[in-house]
Amino acid sequence: AQSVTQPDIHITVSEGASLELRCNYSYGATPYLFWYVQSPGQGLQLLLKYFSGDTLVQGIKGFEAEFKRSQSSFNLRKPSVHWSDAAEYFCAVGAPSGTYKYIFGTGTRLKVLA
Amino acid sequence: GAGVSQSPSNKVTEKGKDVELRCDPISGHTALYWYRQSLGQGLEFLIYFQGNSAPDKSGLPSDRFSAERTGGSVSTLTIQRTQQEDSAVYLCASSLGLAGPNSYNEQFFGPGTRLTVL
Repeated sequence: AQSVTQPDIHITVSEGASLELRCNYSYGATPYLFWYVQSPGQGLQLLLKYFSGDTLVQGIKGFEAEFKRSQSSFNLRKPSVHWSDAAEYFCAVGAPSGTYKYIFGTGTRLKVLA
Repeated sequence: GAGVSQSPSNKVTEKGKDVELRCDPISGHTALYWYRQSLGQGLEFLIYFQGNSAPDKSGLPSDRFSAERTGGSVSTLTIQRTQQEDSAVYLCASSLGLAGPNSYNEQFFGPGTRLTVL
């Protein structure tokens, strides 16, 4: 069965430091991959998505993610974190074609220290 | 031009009572999804609609859960005889129509309904 794993439940970084959030998936073919952010009291917002082509994708708010087929990973990165980036981040996979079911990871909560 | 709205924002109910949760998708979005978010559990897919039909109901946890969508717009998630384990945040999302296989459009999420079953 398809699955998404976010190994880090909580991550704390200092403002200005770089960030990498890990996401691993289990799927038989190249999946469709997404990162969403859920800020306190707000709905989930799409940061970026990967369908095909260039394996390094740019998103909003200065985020980027790299698809690595050999590692079944789609890690999210940001060179310099801002205090406003404190939120929960979810990785998601588009399930087999025809079902349109998205599978979400359990999320990584990011805390940013001033 | 509003986003996805959900009502109520909070619902406290007693065990055994029925509840209805409402979702108003973005106008023009034909696909609508329901998820459940429990503490530390991530988002659990419940059901999705394409228009008024629900091709995939496999995520509904039990037969106490049902959902409908009318007029290709508003959707209602109903939980009958609520149990304490139903306590969670219920999220609704909508997206543009599904043009075919591998057509994964961006989902726009509502703020959720926090359900507490006492």
